[in-house]
Amino acid sequence: DGGITQSPKYLFRKEGQNVTLSCEQNLNHDAMYWYRQDPGQGLRLIYYSQIVNDFQKGDIAEGYSVSREKKESFPLTVTSAQKNPTAFYLCATEARRGALVNTGELFFGEGSRLTVL
Amino acid sequence: DQQVKQNSPSLSVQEGRISILNCDYTNSMFDYFLWYKKYPAEGPTFLISISSIKDKNEDGRFTVFLNKSAKHLSLHIVPSQPGDSAVYFCAASAGEDYQLIWGAGTKLIIKP
Repeated sequence: DGGITQSPKYLFRKEGQNVTLSCEQNLNHDAMYWYRQDPGQGLRLIYYSQIVNDFQKGDIAEGYSVSREKKESFPLTVTSAQKNPTAFYLCATEARRGALVNTGELFFGEGSRLTVL
Repeated sequence: DQQVKQNSPSLSVQEGRISILNCDYTNSMFDYFLWYKKYPAEGPTFLISISSIKDKNEDGRFTVFLNKSAKHLSLHIVPSQPGDSAVYFCAASAGEDYQLIWGAGTKLIIKP
């Protein structure tokens, strides 16, 4: 069953704790993304990775960290430095058109809702 | 500074009628536009896209129109069905920039 699996679906965290959100894909897509969605706002890019062992900061990377050790996996760590971490987090992958051009057509996981208590 | 704006937070349409969702952008470098549909507690799913070399793209009940001079695009859904009730996001990208810039979304409600 091809797709993107995000876990956990719901997560509660105490202030000061780091948490890691998992994102696994078996679509064989090179590019992976982490977005954050807050009520009444569009998706905001946290980090993205175009290839294994390489990743780039998005618009709101502060307080987050990622790794891309395998093509299939792109975990996101929400650190205690993130001042307002309560949000809905979405992982996405992207197929490539040709060698270098991304299609812009993202495939999303079902999301992880993080609540800080 | 919002480069992609969806000024209507919500829209209510009668089943069977046309739904028109609007999106405005400010960056003239944007050359590829996409619409995504999102149900609650799920990730968005790709719906339809349009390149700046075109002014219209059609896929079944969904048509996207692009007016470059006005920096405006719209998504038409005809006829509207109950399953179309969702939040619709407009997104744009420029050249080979990897980042999509997203609008805030419009919640479409189809009334029976």
